[in-house]
Amino acid sequence: DAKTTQPNSMESNEEEPVHLPCNHSTISGTDYIHWYRQLPSQGPEYVIHGLTSNVNNRMASLAIAEDRKSSTLILHRATLRDAAVYYCILRRNSGNTPLVFGKGTRLSVIA
Amino acid sequence: DGGITQSPKYLFRKEGQNVTLSCEQNLNHDAMYWYRQDPGQGLRLIYYSQIVNDFQKGDIAEGYSVSREKKESFPLTVTSAQKNPTAFYLCASRPPGQGVSPLHFGNGTRLTVT
Repeated sequence: DAKTTQPNSMESNEEEPVHLPCNHSTISGTDYIHWYRQLPSQGPEYVIHGLTSNVNNRMASLAIAEDRKSSTLILHRATLRDAAVYYCILRRNSGNTPLVFGKGTRLSVIA
Repeated sequence: DGGITQSPKYLFRKEGQNVTLSCEQNLNHDAMYWYRQDPGQGLRLIYYSQIVNDFQKGDIAEGYSVSREKKESFPLTVTSAQKNPTAFYLCASRPPGQGVSPLHFGNGTRLTVT
């Protein structure tokens, strides 16, 4: 799976939008972009995924650049419960090979 | 409710002892995975299994062993050969044959070896 690059940490004020960036310049045409987040002392949980078009669900939105070399996870109104490590992962749509997790972005939310 | 259960949440062992971490799922998933996480680091893959009675080594399999005798269960044994066993261990599962289906994780076992 191709590599992703994320900032080590970000900070946001409560109830403001948060834009978490991810660069994936070596993405291939069949790679899906997945986001997971990990709350303190818990296992990661799935957030959202997409291929080419922007995606929305109840947790977040995913904005994918036209050339697919970068993407942004958008939390529309950060809450204290959104403080977590966010992982951006590329996943090829074939086979069942495991996900490769980088270090992710640690998001702090300030009240 | 369907999910993945890891037990115990905290585990303490003396150096030189083998220890087995439990992972059970009732999601009817074929694929199961074990990851290790050290403080401030991402997850590293230890072993994975795509079907009963079959498993493959991940990136850091040395000092670990697994079995997959039942679809629901994928226990991980941390042997005395593992040089730095103290870590947070995470088990996950996934439906088969669907490249984009998400992983489901348990809440982990924190192992401390002294």
